[in-house]
Amino acid sequence: DTAVSQTPKYLVTQMGNDKSIKCEQNLGHDTMYWYKQDSKKFLKIMFSYNNKELIINETVPNRFSPKSPDKAHLNLHINSLELGDSAVYFCASSQGQAYNEQFFGPGTRLTVL
Amino acid sequence: AQSVTQLDSQVPVFEEAPVELRCNYSSSVSVYLFWYVQYPNQGLQLLLKYLSGSTLVKGINGFEAEFNKSQTSFHLRKPSVHISDTAEYFCAVSEINFGNEKLTFGTGTRLTIIP
Repeated sequence: DTAVSQTPKYLVTQMGNDKSIKCEQNLGHDTMYWYKQDSKKFLKIMFSYNNKELIINETVPNRFSPKSPDKAHLNLHINSLELGDSAVYFCASSQGQAYNEQFFGPGTRLTVL
Repeated sequence: AQSVTQLDSQVPVFEEAPVELRCNYSSSVSVYLFWYVQYPNQGLQLLLKYLSGSTLVKGINGFEAEFNKSQTSFHLRKPSVHISDTAEYFCAVSEINFGNEKLTFGTGTRLTIIP
C-alpha cells in the first residue's frame, strides 16, 4: 500500500490553464504539506495543514490554493499557470509537528508550455 | 531566518570507500537538524535527525551525523558506501518554534558511487 500518493504523476499543460494535483495519505497523520522542487533540485515548503487548518503559507502567489477536505487529503489547485510554475510538486505528511518524520509522495512533475 | 548550506553539489566516491557530506546551517535560535535522501524518481525519505541529546546521531542504512554547535555543522558520514547509496542527499534545518516549525532544505548533494 502506498503511504502518500499523488495524482497525476505527470502534468503537461499550456500557460494560462488551471490544474489540480491531488494528494492522499493513509498513515493516519494529522499534518500535510506541499513542497515545490525546482529544476536545480531546490526544495521549498509552500503550505502546511494541521487537522484541515492552514498553518504555513510561505508567500506563495494567490494563484495557488490548497484545499484539505479531510485529514487524509490535501489538494493543490493552480490558476492561470505560468512558465515559472514548472517544477516537481511533492506532498508530504507527518504526525504532529514538522520535526517529526515527514513521509513524501512520489511527486508530480508539472510542465507548463 | 534559518538557512542551510551544502558545500558540495556532487560527490563521487568509490564503492566501499568512506564518505562525508557537508552541511552547515545558520540560525539565531536553537534548531532541529535532518538529513533526507531522494532516490531517483522518488520522494524524500528521512535518514536521520537531531532533536536533542547525544550529538552523534545514527540513522538508517549505516549513516550517521554529528551535530557541532560551535561550527554550526551537521555533516553526514558513512564508513563504507554501496552502489545502492547513489542518490541525492538533502540537509534540512528547523528553528525550534513551539509548534510552528518548518523545514528549510539545502540545495542537495548528489552522491555517485563508482564501482
